[in-house]
Amino acid sequence: AQSVTQLDSHVSVSEGTPVLLRCNYSSSYSPSLFWYVQHPNKGLQLLLKYTSAATLVKGINGFEAEFKKSETSFHLTKPSAHMSDAAEYFCVVTTYNQGGKLIFGQGTELSVKP
Amino acid sequence: KAGVTQTPRYLIKTRGQQVTLSCSPISGHRSVSWYQQTPGQGLQFLFEYFSETQRNKGNFPGRFSGRQFSNSRSEMNVSTLELGDSALYLCASSLDSRGGNTIYFGEGSWLTVV
Repeated sequence: AQSVTQLDSHVSVSEGTPVLLRCNYSSSYSPSLFWYVQHPNKGLQLLLKYTSAATLVKGINGFEAEFKKSETSFHLTKPSAHMSDAAEYFCVVTTYNQGGKLIFGQGTELSVKP
Repeated sequence: KAGVTQTPRYLIKTRGQQVTLSCSPISGHRSVSWYQQTPGQGLQFLFEYFSETQRNKGNFPGRFSGRQFSNSRSEMNVSTLELGDSALYLCASSLDSRGGNTIYFGEGSWLTVV
């Protein structure tokens, strides 16, 4: 079985400072991991994905995440926050044989102060 | 290339009625999955269809059903609506059912049950 825990329900940063959104996962098989972002009243946009290639994954808009198997973590980072980054972020896990069945974390709301 | 299209975007129904939501996947995508998003339960997997066959099903009552057509378009139906069915219903598509494929989401259908 798979599960995802997002360790912070809300993170607040100042514009121009680093962003860290934390995610731990549990999976019986080799996982595929994703980060999605959801802006208010919008659908989900894929930021990045890990599928057993390089452990440091670069995504869109300057985001990146590192897969650490020993820590079962997949934290999302960005060196410098922008006002437009304010949104809800979801860490997601699936496995090869579960394909379209994504297991979502509870989400982390990111606020960016000017 | 058009994204995942969901219709209708907004609808209001009365308890006891039924509703049908439609999803057109990205051209060439054969896997379609559905998710329910509520403030209390977060994002939960409903079901996944691949080549007109239900491949995976989440933990929802039988009032929730779906189908996929030969052109990969999908519909989901909720019968005997309850107040708790008020939610954002998201459709997602991917090339096939293998884990690790990029999964693209539509903007969602907002259902309010009164």
